[in-house]
Amino acid sequence: NAGVTQTPKFQVLKTGQSMTLQCAQDMNHEYMSWYRQDPGMGLRLIHYSVGAGITDQGEVPNGYNVSRSTTEDFPLRLLSAAPSQTSVYFCASRTVTLEQYFGPGTRLTVT
Amino acid sequence: AQSVTQLGSHVSVSEGALVLLRCNYSSSVPPYLFWYVQYPNQGLQLLLKYTTGATLVKGINGFEAEFKKSETSFHLTKPSAHMSDAAEYFCAYNDRSGAGSYQLTFGKGTKLSVIP
Repeated sequence: NAGVTQTPKFQVLKTGQSMTLQCAQDMNHEYMSWYRQDPGMGLRLIHYSVGAGITDQGEVPNGYNVSRSTTEDFPLRLLSAAPSQTSVYFCASRTVTLEQYFGPGTRLTVT
Repeated sequence: AQSVTQLGSHVSVSEGALVLLRCNYSSSVPPYLFWYVQYPNQGLQLLLKYTTGATLVKGINGFEAEFKKSETSFHLTKPSAHMSDAAEYFCAYNDRSGAGSYQLTFGKGTKLSVIP
């Protein structure tokens, strides 16, 4: 049982490049979400999904896309990277009793 | 707007001293409340949660928190700090009023330092 896994751990992009952050969970949780963490800001919700085929926007969705074709996977796509997207990104999945399990994070730098 | 406020972005305690991290929520309907811990360069881990029932909630690593509706608070405590408690702690709530019920909203975090 690996829990929530994220790849890559580190990434450097140039402005305008696109990329996909991968997230997978093996706990059969319906609810998954993506957060970004910036110093002094806590974690802010980007997008979330309540099940395969269902996604919705969180607090800071601009510049990001998601899809959920399976229960296990919830990738986050950066369409055209900007320096403001430099951050640490966390994926999480949640039990029916509201306990969230977080992945180890992806540290992204956009130059 | 509903929110949680963590008082103090940095807290320092001596090893063996009481740990008290403060969290207040703003909501007309008491939300579900959580404390998470983040060790350096790691993801977040659930310490404890309050949903319904007993207002004193015990979590992992000797931490506990008490939900006080009259004070709209959910402070985190530990009787005796250990060096391994040095981490960042986040209070979070899940709105149970319906419209935002799927979203977990975090406070800005409190970094705990433990002085030997």
